[in-house]
Amino acid sequence: QQPVQSPQAVILREGEDAVINCSSSKALYSVHWYRQKHGEAPVFLMILLKGGEQKGHEKISASFNEKKQQSSLYLTASQLSYSGTYFCGTVLVSGSARQLTFGSGTQLTVLP
Amino acid sequence: EAQVTQNPRYLITVTGKKLTVTCSQNMNHEYMSWYRQDPGLGLRQIYYSMNVEVTDKGDVPEGYKVSRKEKRNFPLILESPSPNQTSLYFCASSGQPPYEQYFGPGTRLTVT
Repeated sequence: QQPVQSPQAVILREGEDAVINCSSSKALYSVHWYRQKHGEAPVFLMILLKGGEQKGHEKISASFNEKKQQSSLYLTASQLSYSGTYFCGTVLVSGSARQLTFGSGTQLTVLP
Repeated sequence: EAQVTQNPRYLITVTGKKLTVTCSQNMNHEYMSWYRQDPGLGLRQIYYSMNVEVTDKGDVPEGYKVSRKEKRNFPLILESPSPNQTSLYFCASSGQPPYEQYFGPGTRLTVT
């Protein structure tokens, strides 16, 4: 079941902060975050696992609320290079531990 | 250099003409996956493979086949392509179960 991302799009000025949310109606084993720039392949940002473990890049922060089946990606002091489409992907507790389902994406535009 | 390669990068074909898109990775990853990307729908998983000879359906497997005879290769086969399979296709690989996924550059397929 596809996770729901919000907002669908956001426009920022350099230096501003943004939060992108991802929610599921089913219990999650892990949440994955990727960024895709126009015309390029998605690039890994972070994975958050049930139980609190996180793996990702140092400058990216995210949270995973296991009770609410929600995750949020925090982009602080945004830079022009942050522009792109952000996808969250989820692995369910109940499903195959190998099936990763992505949301429809959040388009982030950072203006100078 | 760690990478996932896909071929061809661009393909225009006609309805019903069988085609194969190849995917290869040089990172000794167990997990490989195929996604299609359509505007507004995000990345949808077609098939995934946990290891050699082990594959399973993703969210949109209809009209596609895969095989995993070698660890490094995971070809996507369209036996009888139709126009609704016109899309951008990505192959990805990672260690189990999946963790950080490395995406190939994408294959843009047009079926007329």
